[in-house]
Amino acid sequence: DSGVTQTPKHLITATGQRVTLRCSPRSGDLSVYWYQQSLDQGLQFLIQYYNGEERAKGNILERFSAQQFPDLHSELNLSSLELGDSALYFCASSAGTGSLYEQYFGPGTRLTVT
Amino acid sequence: AQSVTQLGSHVSVSEGALVLLRCNYSSSVPPYLFWYVQYPNQGLQLLLKYTSAATLVKGINGFEAEFKKSETSFHLTKPSAHMSDAAEYFCAVSYAGTALIFGKGTTLSVSS
Repeated sequence: DSGVTQTPKHLITATGQRVTLRCSPRSGDLSVYWYQQSLDQGLQFLIQYYNGEERAKGNILERFSAQQFPDLHSELNLSSLELGDSALYFCASSAGTGSLYEQYFGPGTRLTVT
Repeated sequence: AQSVTQLGSHVSVSEGALVLLRCNYSSSVPPYLFWYVQYPNQGLQLLLKYTSAATLVKGINGFEAEFKKSETSFHLTKPSAHMSDAAEYFCAVSYAGTALIFGKGTTLSVSS
């Protein structure tokens, strides 16, 4: 158990809909990262927040957005969903920001868009 | 653009045999390098990381990896495979920033 929790575990929704994925980092961790894992694209970094502020952006679509709240939990919002958005979405957290800080991964949320 | 290449999407070994999973990175500057393992229906767990200290890095579960700058490689090895090692393994790189760039992954199968 990494200490990172993600809800829900599974999500099935229809094209065009909007969903919110939630992540609670390990106690004391200030950084939260979101990754997408799909069969065709592999594991891709989406976005990072550090202590409530956006820190880095990767291959995140404009239809996707995220935020980190004062209690440090984070939410990833996916809108106008397409079939290709079906993937496993991971959240990771680390104590600080920088490559020396180990990222701890949650169990993921499996999103299926039908 | 920085990238990571894992040679072999699937590696099969017998229990007790040497495990060798290959990873090459593309970079003109020294990176930080990581190996992660993913068991079915679970998140990723860090096996080991290279951060420019010793070139031979020892990790958990008997795994180790050697950083070879001349070959831009960071191959993962384990002297003797165990059934419980069957999983997917990801090599990742980070360059002074925070985002991890992952390879496509290698699925390790271990047969008895």
